[in-house]
Amino acid sequence: EAGVTQSPRYAVLQEGQAVSFWCDPISGHDTLYWYQQPRDQGPQLLVYFRDEAVIDNSQLPSDRFSAVRPKGTNSTLKIQSAKQGDTATYLCASNPTGFGNTLYFGEGSRLIVV
Amino acid sequence: AQSVTQPDARVTVSEGASLQLRCKYSYSGTPYLFWYVQYPRQGLQLLLKYYSGDPVVQGVNGFEAEFIKSNSSFHLRKASVHWSDSAVYFCAVSPNSNNRIFFGDGTQLVVKP
Repeated sequence: EAGVTQSPRYAVLQEGQAVSFWCDPISGHDTLYWYQQPRDQGPQLLVYFRDEAVIDNSQLPSDRFSAVRPKGTNSTLKIQSAKQGDTATYLCASNPTGFGNTLYFGEGSRLIVV
Repeated sequence: AQSVTQPDARVTVSEGASLQLRCKYSYSGTPYLFWYVQYPRQGLQLLLKYYSGDPVVQGVNGFEAEFIKSNSSFHLRKASVHWSDSAVYFCAVSPNSNNRIFFGDGTQLVVKP
């Protein structure tokens, strides 16, 4: 069974540039999460979807961050006008809907904004 | 608000020694509790999880954790660590049925040969 796949693995941007991260979850997993993990901190939830619907995006900086999952499978997280404070690893995870179900993580996309 | 506290940012132990990594959570109900591990350049992987039943839960690679409700703690233990256990360990809590999972800031474990 293929795991969660993310790309690109690394990105280096100047402030003000844009970047998109792509995630392919495990087949059959209807719930997909995007987490931001700053260096030496734990993952912090940005947004999560059930199928194509956004369930919670309350922690997503909506002025510059956006996330979509149009067909309920793959997902894209976009950062417009990146800032140095966005430097972090962006983790995608998926699981089947259900209380306490294990999250399966991708390897992450590491972003450095200079 | 829910929170997870891992008070030790870094723990160093010698190979073969026992290990305890501490975790305390803040939630009044009965949450799901997890320990995940992150090896270098890899995604987080589940070690074990607990919701109910025997408060000592076994996980992979000889790890176990004990739920102590009176102390709101879920400490991770291993009787004898190996150098390959060097990684970052995250405690996490899912407080209700809406699939949100909150993570602590992690404890970096360094196992000396």
